[in-house]
Amino acid sequence: DGGITQSPKYLFRKEGQNVTLSCEQNLNHDAMYWYRQDPGQGLRLIYYSQIVNDFQKGDIAEGYSVSREKKESFPLTVTSAQKNPTAFYLCASRGTSGSYEQYFGPGTRLTVT
Amino acid sequence: QKEVEQDPGPLSVPEGAIVSLNCTYSNSAFQYFMWYRQYSRKGPELLMYTYSSGNKEDGRFTAQVDKSSKYISLFIRDSQPSDSATYLCAMSAGREYNFNKFYFGSGTKLNVKP
Repeated sequence: DGGITQSPKYLFRKEGQNVTLSCEQNLNHDAMYWYRQDPGQGLRLIYYSQIVNDFQKGDIAEGYSVSREKKESFPLTVTSAQKNPTAFYLCASRGTSGSYEQYFGPGTRLTVT
Repeated sequence: QKEVEQDPGPLSVPEGAIVSLNCTYSNSAFQYFMWYRQYSRKGPELLMYTYSSGNKEDGRFTAQVDKSSKYISLFIRDSQPSDSATYLCAMSAGREYNFNKFYFGSGTKLNVKP
């Protein structure tokens, strides 16, 4: 089955700890994205990557970091500098030849206490 | 002003009704338009994808794009309780602009009553 996987589904961390969220896709898509979703605020772009070893900050990148060492993988690290990390995190990908729609993974719910 | 505006609802309809969901946008560079359905605590699921203007139909769903009015719509015919979800519109610009950035509406919550 082609698609996007995110793990884990639920993640709990103590304040002050860094945490890494996994995102893998087997759609052979070049572009990958991380969004944050909070109740009543819609989707906000954290980072995106158009190609391996390249990524751009989105609208709310502060306190987050990413890497793109492989086409299939785009992990997101939520650092202790992120002031309000509890949220639903969504990974997405988009093809860059012939089909330009964006697909989402199932999401990771991060709770920091 | 937001790039994409969408009424948050909630919109409540009886089973079997025709549902109309809408988004307006301000950037005339947008060329790719998408509608997503999102159930609670799940990732958004792509329902419809349209390039440029016109209509597209898929089963009970019809997507319309009116670029002259900067207005897109999603129609759901014979609505079912299983259609109860939040519907998000999304759009992106052509390759001569920031092609890889998407702009989302805030979502409309739909409730279809049995």
